[in-house]
Amino acid sequence: DQQVKQNSPSLSVQEGRISILNCDYTNSMFDYFLWYKKYPAEGPTFLISISSIKDKNEDGRFTVFLNKSAKHLSLHIVPSQPGDSAVYFCAASAEYGNKLVFGAGTILRVKS
Amino acid sequence: EAGVTQSPTHLIKTRGQQVTLRCSPISGHTSVYWYQQALGLGLQFLLWYDEGEERNRGNFPPRFSGRQFPNYSSELNVNALELEDSALYLCASSLPPESGGYTFGSGTRLTVV
Repeated sequence: DQQVKQNSPSLSVQEGRISILNCDYTNSMFDYFLWYKKYPAEGPTFLISISSIKDKNEDGRFTVFLNKSAKHLSLHIVPSQPGDSAVYFCAASAEYGNKLVFGAGTILRVKS
Repeated sequence: EAGVTQSPTHLIKTRGQQVTLRCSPISGHTSVYWYQQALGLGLQFLLWYDEGEERNRGNFPPRFSGRQFPNYSSELNVNALELEDSALYLCASSLPPESGGYTFGSGTRLTVV
């Protein structure tokens, strides 16, 4: 069963515009959410996280929003840059330090 | 600081063979996680080791196994390889509990022919 879903396999955005990547989850026990970025031939790298006690977390150009009632989170990248082109994975955890459950990923292409 | 290192980077094996993948976590990290990323799929959780013990296991058959050594490095063993085991195998480490995410290695690309 897919507990974490990223329904958009790909997204194409113009440089300088906003990129919005979405993620839905089904397990109400999840209380910690993360976004990872992955380039080809490299391991995923941590981008930003949010705990269930918050609804927003910002780090530079990256903002994650969490809507617990809708079991939905999104990653906003503003402004988008060509170097942001990568696969973005949403992940969730039901217990601090426990395993992360990943979505299938969204390929982001930022066009210059 | 050295990151998570995995070896080998690439591997080609024949169906039915056995393979061992290795992972060295970041110094001081006691937890090691193994994930499989098959083509077109997300990261599927395989195994979690902490302080030498298996803490959690994903929905994979018993021919996937592993261990963690006293220096916290880890091995992932896959027996009786099948074609669908072809994937990128990623190792990650963390120091539980951690406020950030895992640190991943670059992975081992396994091809089963």
